[in-house]
Amino acid sequence: NAGVTQTPKFQVLKTGQSMTLQCAQDMNHNSMYWYRQDPGMGLRLIYYSASEGTTDKGEVPNGYNVSRLNKREFSLRLESAAPSQTSVYFCASSEGGQGSYEQYFGPGTRLTVT
Amino acid sequence: SQKIEQNSEALNIQEGKTATLTCNYTNYSPAYLQWYRQDPGRGPVFLLLIRENEKEKRKERLKVTFDTTLKQSLFHITASQPADSATYLCALDMSNTGGFKTIFGAGTRLFVKA
Repeated sequence: NAGVTQTPKFQVLKTGQSMTLQCAQDMNHNSMYWYRQDPGMGLRLIYYSASEGTTDKGEVPNGYNVSRLNKREFSLRLESAAPSQTSVYFCASSEGGQGSYEQYFGPGTRLTVT
Repeated sequence: SQKIEQNSEALNIQEGKTATLTCNYTNYSPAYLQWYRQDPGRGPVFLLLIRENEKEKRKERLKVTFDTTLKQSLFHITASQPADSATYLCALDMSNTGGFKTIFGAGTRLFVKA
């Protein structure tokens, strides 16, 4: 039981390049999330998927797109990377979408955009 | 807008003492509040959840209180150990707003000295 896995662990991009961050969970959870974490700031929600087949914008969606490929997988795409997107990205999942459910986080992807 | 405040200054305590961390929030009345632990270079890990109608919740050496009048949660670690050194995040359930599910504070760094 691996929990939540993310790839890659580290990535360096040049401004304007694109990439996809992959996330998978093996806990049969319905809800999945993408957050970014910057120094001195809390985790900020980029996009979430309450259930398979649905996605919704979070607090900071600009510059990102997501795909809920199936119940297990939720990917985050940067179409044209910008230095402001340098951050640590965390994927998370929970059994349900309400705040009464604990979230399980992946190990993170450390992205640098030069 | 909703705001969560956690002490940005690190908390330094001696092993064996009780650590108390504070989470204050404004402009909202969450139904649930969660606490997570985050170690450097890793994703957050769920610790405790407390409901708005619960004044206190305990789990081993951890205790959380939730004062909806003061809009404050306190997180206590009794008989602290160096292994408790980490960043602790509080998170509020926002599902009643119909939008984002959970918002996180920036966290408080705890150092426990042997």
